[in-house]
Amino acid sequence: AQSVAQPEDQVNVAEGNPLTVKCTYSVSGNPYLFWYVQYPNRGLQFLLKYITGDNLVKGSYGFEAEFNKSQTSFHLKKPSALVSDSALYFCAVRDNAGNNRKLIWGLGTSLAVNP
Amino acid sequence: EPEVTQTPSHQVTQMGQEVILRCVPISNHLYFYWYRQILGQKVEFLVSFYNNEISEKSEIFDDQFSVERPDGSNFTLKIRSTKLEDSAMYFCASSQMTGPYEQYFGPGTRLTVT
Repeated sequence: AQSVAQPEDQVNVAEGNPLTVKCTYSVSGNPYLFWYVQYPNRGLQFLLKYITGDNLVKGSYGFEAEFNKSQTSFHLKKPSALVSDSALYFCAVRDNAGNNRKLIWGLGTSLAVNP
Repeated sequence: EPEVTQTPSHQVTQMGQEVILRCVPISNHLYFYWYRQILGQKVEFLVSFYNNEISEKSEIFDDQFSVERPDGSNFTLKIRSTKLEDSAMYFCASSQMTGPYEQYFGPGTRLTVT
């Protein structure tokens, strides 16, 4: 069965420090992987995606993510965290086999960046 | 920057009543989706819609649910007879037609069934 796991409910980092939000996935075909962020009382905002090619993808607001096929992971990273990065982060995967377009979601990780 | 909009932001209804949640997708997008998120749980796929028909639906999307694109801009989700367990945040999303394009989400409608 297709699934996404975000093993950490919450991540706390100090402002200026690097951050990592973890994501692992399980799909039957080649995955298309996405990260979204949700600020309080806001919708899900697209951050970045991996489709093919370079395993390190760069996205909005200085975020990047590294695709690791052998570990089936797609961890979100940022070299220097900002207090304004505090939000809920969701990893999602789309199985690109056939015409399947639905996204399968992780439970989300709450990121708190402390001043 | 174009965005997906949803109305209302919050809907309170009594059990058994019909509700219609409305969405205006991004204008040049042709794939439309509804997801829901029950408080504290995962975002769950409900349905995708393309070319005026459902292209995929989940087991959640039973006969109580329906979707419609009544005109060139709106995309609606109707729940015919709401249950307490339908209380959730409902997100509309849209994406371009081809390729693995990301889905753009609206701000959501919080549905509370009492």
